[in-house]
Amino acid sequence: DIQLTQSPSFLSASVGDRVTITCRASQGISSYLAWYQQKPGKAPKLLIYSASTLQSGVPSRFSGSGSGTEFTLTINSLQPEDLATYYCQHLNSYPLSFGGGTKVEIK
Amino acid sequence: QVQLVESGGGVVQPGRSLRLSCAASGFTFSNYALHWVRQAPGKGLEWVTLISYDGINKYYADSVRGRFTISRDNSKNTLYLEMNSLKPEDTAVYYCAKDALVGAAGDWFDPWGQGTLVTVSS
Repeated sequence: DIQLTQSPSFLSASVGDRVTITCRASQGISSYLAWYQQKPGKAPKLLIYSASTLQSGVPSRFSGSGSGTEFTLTINSLQPEDLATYYCQHLNSYPLSFGGGTKVEIK
Repeated sequence: QVQLVESGGGVVQPGRSLRLSCAASGFTFSNYALHWVRQAPGKGLEWVTLISYDGINKYYADSVRGRFTISRDNSKNTLYLEMNSLKPEDTAVYYCAKDALVGAAGDWFDPWGQGTLVTVSS
C-alpha cells in the first residue's frame, strides 16, 4: 500500500505570505495526486488534480507541482479565507489513501 | 448543479448494522464511479470503498473489508454503504464522493457530499 506523508502538520502564516505544503509518497505515483481543502465543519473541496492542474473556479494563488514521490502545494499570498486543513491524495492504485493533513492558521 | 446528499447516520451499538445512503442529482449517475470516505472526529480523511459506474468492480480498505458492502441503484440515482459488525473505531463522518471523470474509476473526487455522522457506542 502507498503511504503519503504531509509536512508540516500545522503552520501559522500571515496574510500575504507564501505557504508551501509538501506531500511525499512511499513509492512513485507519477502525477496521480490530488489536493483538497477542508474548511472547518465542511466537506473537502478539490483544489488540484494530476499534481498540477488547477480545478475550475479555484483561485490562481493555489498551485501544485511535483511527480514521482515528492509533491508540493503552494499558496501565493495567503488570504483569510484560506484557513483550512489541506490533504493530498494518491490515485495510483487501490487502496487509495490521503496524507495526514496540514492545518493552516492565519496569524 | 451536481449534488450528493448522505443520510442514514446515527448512534448504533457495537456489533450492530447500519445502512447509509447517498442520493445524487445534477449528473448522469450511471456514468460515474463513486466512493465512500470517512473522517473520525478530529482526525484526517480515510478512503473506505469504491464502486465502478456499472456496479461490477468494488474495492475496499483493509479496515472494512468483509464488514462493509458498497452498492448502487442506478435506477434510483442512489449509492449505499451497508455496514455490519460495527466497531467503536468506525465512528466517523461518512462522505460520499463522485469520481470526476466519466467511466473508469481512479480519478480525483469532485464533488463530495456534506457527510453523515455514524457513532458506534454502547
